[in-house]
Amino acid sequence: EPEVTQTPSHQVTQMGQEVILRCVPISNHLYFYWYRQILGQKVEFLVSFYNNEISEKSEIFDDQFSVERPDGSNFTLKIRSTKLEDSAMYFCASSVGGTGELFFGEGSRLTVL
Amino acid sequence: GENVGLHLPTLSVQEGDNSIINCAYSNSASDYFIWYKQESGKGPQFIIDIRSNMDKRQGQRVTVLLNKTVKHLSLQIAATQPGDSAVYFCAESSPSGTYKYIFGTGTRLKVLA
Repeated sequence: EPEVTQTPSHQVTQMGQEVILRCVPISNHLYFYWYRQILGQKVEFLVSFYNNEISEKSEIFDDQFSVERPDGSNFTLKIRSTKLEDSAMYFCASSVGGTGELFFGEGSRLTVL
Repeated sequence: GENVGLHLPTLSVQEGDNSIINCAYSNSASDYFIWYKQESGKGPQFIIDIRSNMDKRQGQRVTVLLNKTVKHLSLQIAATQPGDSAVYFCAESSPSGTYKYIFGTGTRLKVLA
């Protein structure tokens, strides 16, 4: 069964460092997303991406964040200068169309020290 | 504004009984809803969805009910099993049309043996 894969599963970084989280969406999907979940809290939307551009982003997704689909298979989330409050589980998701089921990856846990 | 919330943060159910998990949403323009299950340390897993032109949809052991009049969504799980223990989130599609899903706070379902 096709699935969304994410790497790394866990990353520990120092405050101020750059982090890149990687995702391989399901191959025939066209819409890609990043969500995050702070421990014990709800899943929060960060950004959606379609046709090689951001279609929507939340207020969380400030200038420190960027996304890229560099090679037609990977979808990356970059945090330029991490803050303590960026510590969370980051989920990548993809979907065939703009509405319908989102398929989530297992998440990348980011710990900022 | 965006407000998808859950009435009960924790629900304990005896194995074999039926479970009902509730969700309230505030945006009457939302037209698509999904229930997700999240097990510890994993990404959200799709359970069932419903569009706003329906008021009931059934899956395998699960039923989703939508009451647009009071903006209420519920997930019914029949014959609850230990494997159903997880956090359940409802999510609504953004009516902005840009494929953003807003998640509720989550309800933890505990199945008692």
